[in-house]
Amino acid sequence: GAVVSQHPSRVICKSGTSVKIECRSLDFQATTMFWYRQFPKKSLMLMATSNEGSKATYEQGVEKDKFLINHASLTLSTLTVTSAHPEDSSFYICSAAPTTDTQYFGPGTRLTVL
Amino acid sequence: AQKVTQAQTEISVVEKEDVTLDCVYETRDTTYYLFWYKQPPSGELVFLIRRNSFDEQNEISGRYSWNFQKSTSSFNFTITASQVVDSAVYFCALSPPIYNQGGKLIFGQGTELSVKP
Repeated sequence: GAVVSQHPSRVICKSGTSVKIECRSLDFQATTMFWYRQFPKKSLMLMATSNEGSKATYEQGVEKDKFLINHASLTLSTLTVTSAHPEDSSFYICSAAPTTDTQYFGPGTRLTVL
Repeated sequence: AQKVTQAQTEISVVEKEDVTLDCVYETRDTTYYLFWYKQPPSGELVFLIRRNSFDEQNEISGRYSWNFQKSTSSFNFTITASQVVDSAVYFCALSPPIYNQGGKLIFGQGTELSVKP
């Protein structure tokens, strides 16, 4: 149990295009989902906290208009990287929290912007 | 401010050696959670342990053991008789109390462990 999926697992796109990444909790409901970003050989940085039915809370320094987060249901949150540029290339990981003290991570999405 | 420091960027050991990964944290909260995660080359985070700030008992799980000391704000992780499959990046993380941004994780920089045969 407690499986979180991400789609796609890997995406390559041209500069200027938008990319949508889905995060789904497959066998549980998650009121809260988190989005993290990881650069190569670096730590995970929290980008935003997403609560179902409300606006996401972004961490300081994260552009809201650049990284659009939608949490429309208790099992799905999406991260859209708008007008992606090479500096947005990264490993994006989501996590889903069925309770306030537990969270499960997705397998990650590797984004490469050419 | 909350912060997690893993001073060891890379560690290389030979199989069967014991290895300890250090983790030091900073927080003003009296209630918090500490975590260790393993990230193999595939990238997926593997949960290893969660520790409540009120529980200072050391824990052992097979070859893994954790030493939590509030007095020094440390939560160190020891692998006994290391194996090649232990090669990965290990992250220590801190979570604020439930009533204050509970759930969000503050990660350390990670320690890349390489176990050679």
